Amino acid sequence: ETGVTQSPTHLIKTRGQQVTLRCSSQSGHNTVSWYQQALGQGPQFIFQYYREEENGRGNFPPRFSGLQFPNYSSELNVNALELDDSALYLCASSPDRFTVYNEQFFGPGTRLTVL
Amino acid sequence: RKEVEQDPGPFNVPEGATVAFNCTYSNSASQSFFWYRQDCRKEPKLLMSVYSSGNEDGRFTAQLNRASQYISLLIRDSKLSDSATYLCVVPNTGGGNKLTFGTGTQLKVEL
Repeated sequence: ETGVTQSPTHLIKTRGQQVTLRCSSQSGHNTVSWYQQALGQGPQFIFQYYREEENGRGNFPPRFSGLQFPNYSSELNVNALELDDSALYLCASSPDRFTVYNEQFFGPGTRLTVL
Repeated sequence: RKEVEQDPGPFNVPEGATVAFNCTYSNSASQSFFWYRQDCRKEPKLLMSVYSSGNEDGRFTAQLNRASQYISLLIRDSKLSDSATYLCVVPNTGGGNKLTFGTGTQLKVEL
């Protein structure tokens, strides 16, 4: 186990609703990244938080937003849910914001279904 | 050209076989690469890192060809437990500090 936890495990929402996903990073890690993995695809980078500040963002609309707290845990918020938002949402923590040499440790993910 | 491209498979091989996966990347400035393994409905886990020409860990060998922008993963003596999806991953060297994943190659090892 990586020590990265996510909640909830599964979630079902309807179009237009809002959702909040939570992640607790591994002890000693100050950087959290969020990824979206649609069925049959590789994970896609949403954004990264380093010491409570956004430190990079992928090609996702503004309705995807996030937070990082002083204990380095993080939230992903998605507003105005669309059917295409159905996916596995993965949180990954790393000891530093530089990903070139640092391994990112993934949590088990939250599986979101939008009906 | 996609940032990271992989053959999606599936590769169905008998136990004991040797199998190789290929991956091409578009950013010639990339310096390091990862192979992650993902079991069905689970999170990705780091299998190997590649920083120079290659890396070997037991039955697994990763090779890098910078001139061709090509990475490979070789699995020797395949086990049933090797059945999984193998993701080729390139860390971003510019802004964003992201990992860019390929679509993954599915491997099924059969008796």
